Amino acid sequence: EIVLTQSPGTLSLSPGERATLSCRASQSVSSSYLAWYQQKPGQAPRLLIYGASSRATGIPDRFSGSGSGTDFTLTISRLEPEDFAVYYCQQYGSSRYTFGQGTKLEIK
Amino acid sequence: EVQLVESGGGLVKPGGSLRLSCAASGFTFSSYSMNWVRQAPGKGLEWVSSISSSSSYIYYADSVKGRFTISRDNAKNSLYLQMNSLRAEDTAVYYCASNPSFWSGYLDYWGQGTLVTVSS
Repeated sequence: EIVLTQSPGTLSLSPGERATLSCRASQSVSSSYLAWYQQKPGQAPRLLIYGASSRATGIPDRFSGSGSGTDFTLTISRLEPEDFAVYYCQQYGSSRYTFGQGTKLEIK
Repeated sequence: EVQLVESGGGLVKPGGSLRLSCAASGFTFSSYSMNWVRQAPGKGLEWVSSISSSSSYIYYADSVKGRFTISRDNAKNSLYLQMNSLRAEDTAVYYCASNPSFWSGYLDYWGQGTLVTVSS
């Protein structure tokens, strides 16, 4: 089973700053099957990125995804107040989904 | 507008059973694969089960295999999760989520979730 490790666990930044979130897989993941989600308190997760770098419908272009193999990155170019949330990476393989443990993005 | 609305959660004793439902609207339900994902209080996301559009393919996480059964009724635009032999560690918010095809590898729409609490 592929394990996804996200870092850092918590990221403290200010609005307007750039955020870089990392997701590392225990073995190689197909880029087609790497996604990112945002979750705010009391809400369901929302799909941000699929296929490692494709933005989901309605997602602002300040969100971008990159990476391949075992290392993937979610970048938020300029943080807006509504971007402070928990972010999860997810991979799909062997007909099952695996999620990382999450990165909490908090206001500094 | 896509809507997924879960129901059926509640308090149940260890060893008990519960059936969750997910009502879908705003998209062609019969063309989409569906999934259940859960989240224990204060914890991360855990995939539970997937079912293809025609129910031909069904998969479960090892943690629920043999105890949970996923099913769907395309005529009623509904997804179900029958949960038997419930344990304290099954306590979580259960989300239903769609994906555009069984092999797409991502979950595009999510419901708001229903809380299942397993406790004596």
